[in-house]
Amino acid sequence: DQQVKQNSPSLSVQEGRISILNCDYTNSMFDYFLWYKKYPAEGPTFLISISSIKDKNEDGRFTVFLNKSAKHLSLHIVPSQPGDSAVYFCAASDLGNDMRFGAGTRLTVKP
Amino acid sequence: GAGVSQSPRYKVAKRGQDVALRCDPISGHVSLFWYQQALGQGPEFLTYFQNEAQLDKSGLPSDRFFAERPEGSVSTLKIQRTQQEDSAVYLCASRGGAIQETQYFGPGTRLLVL
Repeated sequence: DQQVKQNSPSLSVQEGRISILNCDYTNSMFDYFLWYKKYPAEGPTFLISISSIKDKNEDGRFTVFLNKSAKHLSLHIVPSQPGDSAVYFCAASDLGNDMRFGAGTRLTVKP
Repeated sequence: GAGVSQSPRYKVAKRGQDVALRCDPISGHVSLFWYQQALGQGPEFLTYFQNEAQLDKSGLPSDRFFAERPEGSVSTLKIQRTQQEDSAVYLCASRGGAIQETQYFGPGTRLLVL
């Protein structure tokens, strides 16, 4: 069963515009959420996280929003840059130790 | 080194062959995780160590998969009698002491079973 879902396999945006990546989860016990970025032939790199006690966390151009009632989180990148082109994974954990990952969204930022 | 390292980076195995994948976590990191990532999918949890203790191996897909971390540092994931469906990227991640600290991933080992 896929507890974390990223329904958009790909997203293309123009440089300078906002990128919005979405993630849905089914397990209400999840209380910590992360976004990872992955370039080809590299491991995932941590980008930003949010605890379930918050609804927003911001770090520079990256903001993660959490809607617990809808079991939905999103990652906003603004302004988007060509170097942001990568696969983005959403992950969630329930204070246990294994994280559940979504299938990823490939973001392409066009110059 | 500063990050998690894994070796080999690429491994081609004949079906039925045994393979061993190595992970060197970030120095001092207590927790170590193994994930399997199939093509086009996100990483799937395999097993977790806290120091040398394997606390969770619920994600190991079969008894052909075995992981160890005898001294609480380097870990080895062993796959016996490899099958074609074992072809994937195997990712290792390590984490410091607190539960909600971030997991830091290595570059992965891409395994291809022919």
